[in-house]
Amino acid sequence: AQKVTQAQTEISVVEKEDVTLDCVYETRDTTYYLFWYKQPPSGELVFLIRRNSFDEQNEISGRYSWNFQKSTSSFNFTITASQVVDSAVYFCALSEANFNKFYFGSGTKLNVKP
Amino acid sequence: GAGVSQSPSNKVTEKGKDVELRCDPISGHTALYWYRQSLGQGLEFLIYFQGNSAPDKSGLPSDRFSAERTGGSVSTLTIQRTQQEDSAVYLCASSPGLAGDYEQYFGPGTRLTVT
Repeated sequence: AQKVTQAQTEISVVEKEDVTLDCVYETRDTTYYLFWYKQPPSGELVFLIRRNSFDEQNEISGRYSWNFQKSTSSFNFTITASQVVDSAVYFCALSEANFNKFYFGSGTKLNVKP
Repeated sequence: GAGVSQSPSNKVTEKGKDVELRCDPISGHTALYWYRQSLGQGLEFLIYFQGNSAPDKSGLPSDRFSAERTGGSVSTLTIQRTQQEDSAVYLCASSPGLAGDYEQYFGPGTRLTVT
């Protein structure tokens, strides 16, 4: 069965610190997709990134970077030089190959203090 | 452009009553998802619609829950004989549903409180 685990319930950092949000997944599928979403205090989830199971290249987008390692079934998310605006709940998710069902982790609440 | 909209934004109902939650997806999006988010929890998949195909209802928690999508656009999630454990935020998302483009766009959610 598919499962996504975000072991960090809440993380607090001071502005400008780097922070890594962990995501571990379980699936028996060979083709699957991994996602990260941000849910700011306003409530609406915002898509950040999608990765397919055949692409293990790390990705960097500005201050955000993602490390996908199939060997450890992990898809970790790092924010470099965090800012107060990064404060939100971040969700990692897994979808089956045909995108008919998504499995979300329980989320990590990130607090960035000035 | 217009995003995914949901109504009502808040709903308070008495235990045992039926409720209907509405989702207006982004125009042209063929895929539509319903999720439930309980306080402090992740999103729980409920149901998925893709075009005219039969919906994937495998996430519905009980037969009190049902959903339909009329004309491939607007969707309604119905909860019959509501229970207190149904209290949650119900989120709807749509996506283009095209090969290579399954990014989900989420609505603001409906906060349901069952008293």
